[in-house]
Amino acid sequence: AQTVTQSQPEMSVQEAETVTLSCTYDTSESDYYLFWYKQPPSRQMILVIRQEAYKQQNATENRFSVNFQKAAKSFSLKISDSQLGDAAMYFCAYRALDSGYALNFGKGTSLLVTP
Amino acid sequence: EAQVTQNPRYLITVTGKKLTVTCSQNMNHEYMSWYRQDPGLGLRQIYYSMNVEVTDKGDVPEGYKVSRKEKRNFPLILESPSPNQTSLYFCASFWGDEQFFGPGTRLTVL
Repeated sequence: AQTVTQSQPEMSVQEAETVTLSCTYDTSESDYYLFWYKQPPSRQMILVIRQEAYKQQNATENRFSVNFQKAAKSFSLKISDSQLGDAAMYFCAYRALDSGYALNFGKGTSLLVTP
Repeated sequence: EAQVTQNPRYLITVTGKKLTVTCSQNMNHEYMSWYRQDPGLGLRQIYYSMNVEVTDKGDVPEGYKVSRKEKRNFPLILESPSPNQTSLYFCASFWGDEQFFGPGTRLTVL
């Protein structure tokens, strides 16, 4: 199974500042999907952003953007203008095209947002 | 409203007492799956189903069973729960670009 690594168990950011969460993955496939999920204290899994590997353009959703470096197998999430409501656990996930919809998750990064 | 529902949301049980966690989706998705979430381990897939009567093991299937008799339902069965199955469980359904996770079931096995 493909490995997804999130090397930062915890991160902290001040309100209105920018933070970047790291994710690397291991695969021999050329086409796949990558995702970032947010899990607030309610435990609900919320899809933040997705990236198709064949697209060179980095995905963006409002204050959330990714830096997708395919050759380096890196997929970091940038949160701009951080808000208190961004405090949550963030999971990076990989999905191969030929694996149905099976997701391989990283271990997560806990983001603390301070006033 | 499109959603995945799970019941119960919380359950405390004892070792060896059979239990079922139900999962239902109203989007007519063909693919459904179960994940467990443990601290420091992220989410890991237990079982998945590509369609009615088609199920297969994920990464951590030991101690679990599933069935898919109808497209909308995908129950998770623990025939003889053990303390190492204490976890947070998520059901999810997918099709095309759509994906929905259920609200989670917190299971404690004493």
